[in-house]
Amino acid sequence: ETGVTQSPTHLIKTRGQQVTLRCSSQSGHNTVSWYQQALGQGPQFIFQYYREEENGRGNFPPRFSGLQFPNYSSELNVNALELDDSALYLCASSGTVNEQFFGPGTRLTVL
Amino acid sequence: SQQGEEDPQALSIQEGENATMNCSYKTSINNLQWYRQNSGRGLVHLILIRSNEREKHSGRLRVTLDTSKKSSSLLITASRAADTASYFCATARKNSGAGSYQLTFGKGTKLSVIP
Repeated sequence: ETGVTQSPTHLIKTRGQQVTLRCSSQSGHNTVSWYQQALGQGPQFIFQYYREEENGRGNFPPRFSGLQFPNYSSELNVNALELDDSALYLCASSGTVNEQFFGPGTRLTVL
Repeated sequence: SQQGEEDPQALSIQEGENATMNCSYKTSINNLQWYRQNSGRGLVHLILIRSNEREKHSGRLRVTLDTSKKSSSLLITASRAADTASYFCATARKNSGAGSYQLTFGKGTKLSVIP
């Protein structure tokens, strides 16, 4: 069974740029959730995708958008990057049980 | 916004001692989960307790839930240096549509176990 993978591991962007982060869900899981974790804080829910549809969204502006593909992998897109977007971005996949399986995260630095 | 609040923010103990972390939350929940995170990496699921359960055990872990006080505790017995990590509680609420639960995390407790 393959776990949740994320790419890239690290990324450096400048303010105003756009970024795409990728997540491959665990085999058999049809739900992907994205979280933003600022330094020293707990993860904050961005949004969730279930069978290619957005299924719940946290308190994040529209410049945070996502996609889920037929194989249930997912992308997180952030437009017009701001300095405060610097964080660890985590994706988690889940199936029919409550437990969410997290990937190792992508560390985004915005300069 | 963060719903759970862990207490203490940091805890330092000797190997072999027990570690207790507490979590308080604000709204109704379907279940509450505890996760561990090593050095800013991915989170590892430790244990889930449903809203109709009061206590749950898994190996050296014991979790309690008091829904009347909106609080939970995580006890790690006979701690080891490898338990050094940040521990987060997360309350789970079902999204309005289908799919999984939305997790709301606290700020975490940073546990240091000294060999």
